[in-house]
Amino acid sequence: SQQGEEDPQALSIQEGENATMNCSYKTSINNLQWYRQNSGRGLVHLILIRSNEREKHSGRLRVTLDTSKKSSSLLITASRAADTASYFCATDRTGNQFYFGTGTSLTVIP
Amino acid sequence: DAGVIQSPRHEVTEMGQEVTLRCKPISGHNSLFWYRQTMMRGLELLIYFNNNVPIDDSGMPEDRFSAKMPNASFSTLKIQPSEPRDSAVYFCASSLSWAYNEQFFGPGTRLTVL
Repeated sequence: SQQGEEDPQALSIQEGENATMNCSYKTSINNLQWYRQNSGRGLVHLILIRSNEREKHSGRLRVTLDTSKKSSSLLITASRAADTASYFCATDRTGNQFYFGTGTSLTVIP
Repeated sequence: DAGVIQSPRHEVTEMGQEVTLRCKPISGHNSLFWYRQTMMRGLELLIYFNNNVPIDDSGMPEDRFSAKMPNASFSTLKIQPSEPRDSAVYFCASSLSWAYNEQFFGPGTRLTVL
């Protein structure tokens, strides 16, 4: 069964704006990962945050994790048209078996 | 490194036919995963292997689905007989080790069962 649920399902913004998407999950986790999927392609790993971490940065990406609320957010700053893709969170309980959410479809308008 | 390789990229078959999807993981990766993606159900984990051994196949929908990993560099997912509801994109992914590692996805196989 899926654990992560992303919100919103779809997001449309202008180039240069920030994009924020959220992920909620149901049970305790070891790690949470964010992936990107461009149309017609496989998923690409973006960032991993462990359950004992609260925030992590990678380039224009910022991920937060609130284990008390069982939620995570992915912030993409200064968005670009190339950021247009679907974004998935993946949660794990066992360390290697990740459950993916249904994704947020992000459109960045040039 | 060529990344995870899947074949074929597209498969169109008729209901009742056998379908075999193939995957070559990244060299040195010990874990391999098969996923199915549809609009309705999203991305579902079907089965995963660690060191060529199936660890959890609870996501395999029916007995019509079977997966093998005869060696560290090759895995197959077979559907026999195929049904229209099996139409989906099937992804293979591999990761470096058992725990806490990112997964590298292949480009997927788009299966259409008529």
